[in-house]
Amino acid sequence: QAVVTQEPSLTVSPGGTVTLTCGSSTGAVTSGHNPYWFQQKPGQVPRTMISETSNKQSWTPARFSGSLLGGKAVLTLSGAQPEDEAEYYCLLSYSNFRVFGGGTKLTVL
Amino acid sequence: EVQLVESGGGLVESGGSLRLSCTSSGLTLSDAWMNWIRQAPGKGLEWVGRIRSNVDGGTTDDATLLKGRFTISRDDSKNTLYLQMDGLKTEDTAVYYCFASGRWGQGTLVSVSS
Repeated sequence: QAVVTQEPSLTVSPGGTVTLTCGSSTGAVTSGHNPYWFQQKPGQVPRTMISETSNKQSWTPARFSGSLLGGKAVLTLSGAQPEDEAEYYCLLSYSNFRVFGGGTKLTVL
Repeated sequence: EVQLVESGGGLVESGGSLRLSCTSSGLTLSDAWMNWIRQAPGKGLEWVGRIRSNVDGGTTDDATLLKGRFTISRDDSKNTLYLQMDGLKTEDTAVYYCFASGRWGQGTLVSVSS
């Protein structure tokens, strides 16, 4: 079973830009891994932010974007807001299973 | 608007069984790849398994660590997804979510006592 890695924690200043990454123990992450990004705030249900590498949901703020860079899936937040403070999880698909990363706790401070 | 609603959670003794359900409004479940995801208290998200859409064969995959204890199925006539959980262990205690097409249900709590 593959291991998906994320930064355990990151801090960004309000208005700043931060990049969260999602790597795979099997090698480079590609569009074939169908990367998803989810946001979860304490006590709340996860919310899908990005699907299939870079597709935003109708509710995803424009300041969030997804891409592939350096063999990893990347979630970029440009112009961080206090309400963006949350845990972020990526999800990768493999041939017959999917794996979540351990999550990145993003602090806006 | 698509809504997913899970039910069937509760308290069960170790070794017992439970069947979770996920119903939907606004989404025909047989047209979607449906996933079960769980989250243990204070822990991260864990993928449990999925069932493919009928057009993609309707077959299932599940997380290796479950060792076949959980079975995913779907009743298309009821537009309902199921997760049959047998041989439950204390470490299966979690909120269980169904997930499809970017949407999440509100989750249902499964507590397994020793």
